[in-house]
Formats: sequence, C-alpha cells, structure tokens
Amino acid sequence: AQSVTQLGSHVSVSEGALVLLRCNYSSSVPPYLFWYVQYPNQGLQLLLKYTTGATLVKGINGFEAEFKKSETSFHLTKPSAHMSDAAEYFCAVSSLNTGGFKTIFGAGTRLFVKA
Amino acid sequence: GAVVSQHPSWVICKSGTSVKIECRSLDFQATTMFWYRQFPKQSLMLMATSNEGSKATYEQGVEKDKFLINHASLTLSTLTVTSAHPEDSSFYICSARVAGGPETQYFGPGTRLLVL
Repeated sequence: AQSVTQLGSHVSVSEGALVLLRCNYSSSVPPYLFWYVQYPNQGLQLLLKYTTGATLVKGINGFEAEFKKSETSFHLTKPSAHMSDAAEYFCAVSSLNTGGFKTIFGAGTRLFVKA
Repeated sequence: GAVVSQHPSWVICKSGTSVKIECRSLDFQATTMFWYRQFPKQSLMLMATSNEGSKATYEQGVEKDKFLINHASLTLSTLTVTSAHPEDSSFYICSARVAGGPETQYFGPGTRLLVL
C-alpha cells in the first residue's frame, strides 16, 4: 500500500522568501513521486517528478524537490516566492500494483504569498 | 505537448437528469485515462481507471452503474453521471497517461457539475 502525507494544509510566506512544502510518502515498492500545482477552478499542472536517477529534481517556475529515501520525503522548495506562486500544491506517489500504475495524492497544501 | 481537454467546463442540471463529460487527449494517444472527483478544499479522489477498448476499473465505493465510463478511442474517454443528484455536485477532473509512459499523467482543466 502507498500513502502520501503533506504536512501543513496552509503555508504562508512573504514575497521573496523561501518556499518549503513538505511531503512524506510510504510505498512498498520504489515509487515515482510528483508535485502538481492547481490554480482555482483548474486542473493540475505537473511541476516536477522523480522517477529514477538524480535525487534533486528541478521543475518549472523555479521549483525543485529532493528525493530522500532514508527519510521517505520529497519536499518541494523554491528560493524566492512570487505572488503568482499562490495556489494549491499536491504531492503524489505512483507505483506499480497488480492492477497497473496507481497514483495517490496528498491532501494538498495551500500556499499564500504576502506582499 | 501533452494537452488534455474537458468538455464542458461547467454544467448545471436538474436532479434526475444525466450528464456526460468528455475528456480528450489533443496531441497524444492515451491508452489509459483516469477520472477523479474533487470536493471543495480537498484532494483528488480516484474514481476509475479507463482503458481504451475495455471496461473501466472502478475504485471501491464508486458505483459503476451511476458513473458510466466509456473509452472508445485512444484520445477520448467519457464519464456519464446518470440520474444525477445534488450530492453528485463536484469538480470532476480527468487525466491521461501517455502510451508507453507509465508514470506521468496529464490533467484536464476539470468540469464543475452542479445538480439542482
């Protein structure tokens, strides 16, 4: 079984400050890990993903995440927040099961950016 | 590339009617499409996995006779909410997986359904 835990349903940062959104996962098999962003009344947009290889993954809009197997974490960071980063962020884990690949989403973290 | 569209983007219907939502992969072939439901301020809940040319696989607790899924081609899947009731009001999102690429899903913009 797999699961995803996002620590903090809301995160508030000042514009220009570091963004850190936390994600921990559990999976019985090597996982694929994702971060998605959702703007109001829209679908999800892929920010970045980890499949294999380099554990530090760079995505769009200046975001990056590091896969730490020992900590079962995949935290999302951005050095300097921008007002346009305000949105809902979802961490997801996908792994191969008997029925094929299945993706489980975390509960989401809403990011607020203060001017 | 990898664009997924949904139609309609929003729909209001009367209780007891049926509503069809289309999900299309515009520039790629998708052997597998997924249907999710999202309640306000909550995460996505997988409803079913739709495979082209075969029956959909429904998640536990999802009524297959109420949420009919058809995946008639490699670029189109439809979700029909039959005999809709107010509790079916939600945001429905589809996603598609690129054929041969098992791990990445591309999401549609979602369909807001309001049942009166």
